[in-house]
Parts: sequence; C-alpha cells; structure tokens
Amino acid sequence: DSGVTQTPKHLITATGQRVTLRCSPRSGDLSVYWYQQSLDQGLQFLIQYYNGEERAKGNILERFSAQQFPDLHSELNLSSLELGDSALYFCASSGTSGRPGELFFGEGSRLTVL
Amino acid sequence: GQQLNQSPQSMFIQEGEDVSMNCTSSSIFNTWLWYKQDPGEGPVLLIALYKAGELTSNGRLTAQFGITRKDSFLNISASIPSDVGIYFCAGQGYGGSQGNLIFGKGTKLSVKP
Repeated sequence: DSGVTQTPKHLITATGQRVTLRCSPRSGDLSVYWYQQSLDQGLQFLIQYYNGEERAKGNILERFSAQQFPDLHSELNLSSLELGDSALYFCASSGTSGRPGELFFGEGSRLTVL
Repeated sequence: GQQLNQSPQSMFIQEGEDVSMNCTSSSIFNTWLWYKQDPGEGPVLLIALYKAGELTSNGRLTAQFGITRKDSFLNISASIPSDVGIYFCAGQGYGGSQGNLIFGKGTKLSVKP
C-alpha cells in the first residue's frame, strides 16, 4: 500500500462527457503528480502541483485541468472526452521522506470512453 | 521530445534464470530510476541512480547508470515467480522537477516455474 488513494477505480462514460478523478496523497506529501498510462504511449507525465500551486506541466491536453486543494488532495478534470482518452490515470505523490525521483503511485483510475 | 528506448519489450524465462534489460536515450539524464508495476497496481520504485557510472544493488537486483548518462541497465539474478510484472526505466532530465519523469515503454517479464 503506497498510501496514495485514488477514486474511482473504474469509470465508463461516453464521448463528449466530463469526468473528475480524485487523489489523496500520502500523509505529509506536498507534491502531487498526474500520469496517463495507455498501451501505445506508455506512462506520460501530465501535471504536477506543489502545496496548491501548479509546478510543472507535461503533455496535458487543454481539455484536461487539475487542481490541488488546501487539504492537499487533488482532482484531475477531463472534459469533452474522446475515445482516445481511454487510459489508466495515475496519481503519485512525493515528499521529503523518499529518495530523489521516488514517486509513490496510487492504484490508478481506469477510464473507458465509449 | 525526450524518449527512452527500453528493451526487450517482453521476456519469458525459466525460474532461476538471470534477466537483463536496458534503456537508452538520445538525451542526457541526471537521474535514472527503475520501477516495477504489478497487475492492478501502480509502479513502485526499485532502484534509483544519481551518478554516472554508479552501480547499485537491491537484493537480487542490480542496476547501473551509464557513463555517457544516456543509458542504464537492470539485472535480476536467479528469477523467482514473484518477479513477474512490468519493469520501467525512467529518467529525470536536468532542470526538470523531481516528479517530471520520462518513462520507457516497459519490459514485461513472465517467469515459468
């Protein structure tokens, strides 16, 4: 158990819809990261938040957005969904207790867009 | 953008055999990491490498950070059934945030008992 909690575990929705994925980081971790894992692209970094502020951005589409709340949980919002957005979305957190580069991943949210 | 080429894509080996996989890049990285992902789980860090030429072990696992900073390998000795999973290399470039990692496509390891 990494200590990172993601909900929901599975989500099935239709094209054009909007969904929100939720993540609670490990206790005490200030940084939250979102990654997308698909069969063809592998694990891709989307975005990082640190203590409520956006810190780094990766290959995140404009239709996607994220935020980190004062209690440090984070949400990833995916809108105008397309078939190609079907993937496993991971949240990870890091803090002072891990090694540099060590991310603690949740179990992921599997999104299926029909 | 930066890419990591990880090979082999998959391996099917006998229990007790040694395993070797590697990662190469056209870019220089200042940190190389090896993660393992079990089915239904998120990746878990196995080994982290921070200096060119560094050789690090974690039990039956050994990994090295290439001298050119553009490659790394992971060896698993005397494989056992619980080694099954997908192994990912990941690199962190200079100036990048700690968690902005570039991942390889993974090596899927299957072990015959």
